Amino acid sequence: ETGVTQTPRHLVMGMTNKKSLKCEQHLGHNAMYWYKQSAKKPLELMFVYSLEERVENNSVPSRFSPECPNSSHLFLHLHTLQPEDSALYLCASSQDRALAKNIQYFGAGTRLSVL
Amino acid sequence: AQTVTQSQPEMSVQEAETVTLSCTYDTSESDYYLFWYKQPPSRQMILVIRQEAYKQQNATENRFSVNFQKAAKSFSLKISDSQLGDAAMYFCAYRSTNFGNEKLTFGTGTRLTIIP
Repeated sequence: ETGVTQTPRHLVMGMTNKKSLKCEQHLGHNAMYWYKQSAKKPLELMFVYSLEERVENNSVPSRFSPECPNSSHLFLHLHTLQPEDSALYLCASSQDRALAKNIQYFGAGTRLSVL
Repeated sequence: AQTVTQSQPEMSVQEAETVTLSCTYDTSESDYYLFWYKQPPSRQMILVIRQEAYKQQNATENRFSVNFQKAAKSFSLKISDSQLGDAAMYFCAYRSTNFGNEKLTFGTGTRLTIIP
């Protein structure tokens, strides 16, 4: 158990649905991250939040909309997704985003299937 | 931009034996951090070991050790006395120390199988 909890574990949605992924960290960290993990590809960083402010958006399509209401919670709102968006979505947190030595702690991810 | 390469998609090792997973990276920076993460079937990515580029001494954590060759840009992971619980995907990752470039760059991973 890394102190980062993601729900749901699995999600199946149609292309016209709207759903949200939730991440909660119990570590007192100030930075939170969303990653996309697709088969046979490196993890792709999607969004970075620091003290609830979005500081990085790696050219992610607007059908993915993050929200960070406080430093412990992070959401990823999904709408009108495409089948190629099917992947494992991982949330991570770290003490802060600045120090390179800070370890990122990961959740177990949400396995998303878009039909 | 930095890149991380793991050239072994799959590896297997007999239980109690030693296995080495390879990782190379490309960077023009002189200071950075390198990490090995383990992702078991439970999917939760767990840190195995961390190395700072400025430290010449190779990092060790119990049965896990690294061979860090800065000039060759190589960062291999050695697992000694392999156990069934070591079966997982292993990811090598790079992290710059430059402010504003804080993302972790991952390799594609190596799937390690432990043979009883």
